[in-house]
Amino acid sequence: AQSVTQPDIHITVSEGASLELRCNYSYGATPYLFWYVQSPGQGLQLLLKYFSGDTLVQGIKGFEAEFKRSQSSFNLRKPSVHWSDAAEYFCAVGARGGYQKVTFGTGTKLQVIP
Amino acid sequence: GAGVSQSPRYKVAKRGQDVALRCDPISGHVSLFWYQQALGQGPEFLTYFQNEAQLDKSGLPSDRFFAERPEGSVSTLKIQRTQQEDSAVYLCASSLSGQGNGYTFGSGTRLTVV
Repeated sequence: AQSVTQPDIHITVSEGASLELRCNYSYGATPYLFWYVQSPGQGLQLLLKYFSGDTLVQGIKGFEAEFKRSQSSFNLRKPSVHWSDAAEYFCAVGARGGYQKVTFGTGTKLQVIP
Repeated sequence: GAGVSQSPRYKVAKRGQDVALRCDPISGHVSLFWYQQALGQGPEFLTYFQNEAQLDKSGLPSDRFFAERPEGSVSTLKIQRTQQEDSAVYLCASSLSGQGNGYTFGSGTRLTVV
């Protein structure tokens, strides 16, 4: 069965600093990988996704993520964080084949300080 | 519509009461998913529909939970004899059929059982 680990429950960064959120997955082959963001009281918004090809994926709001097969990782990065990026971030893995059932990690809450 | 719509946004139920949660997916989206998100956790898969067919209900926590999508568009998640442990945000998501698409989530229904 597929699973996702987000080792950091809570991260605090200063506005303008760089950001990296960690994600490790477990899956028997190359999965589909996603990052979602959730603001308080809102649903989840897709930031970016990896299916195949280039292992560096660009997303919305200036985010990017890199798929590293050897490390089973899909870390999310942003070079300069804005106060509006404060939210909870979820990494997710989807199985290839079938209907693409997606399993989410437990999330990382990002706090941005001035 | 332009997005996934869920109603009600908030629901308070007395323990033992039945509730019904509605999801209006994006028009033309074949796949529909229900997830349960407990406080401080990532979303957990409940069930999946492809058009009107419920192809996977392995995540439904008990036989008190029932979901339907009779005409392949609107879906209803019903919880009978609600318990306090059912308190959570219930998220609906839809997707185009086939592989390679992320989900579009609704804003969720926050259910509180008192």
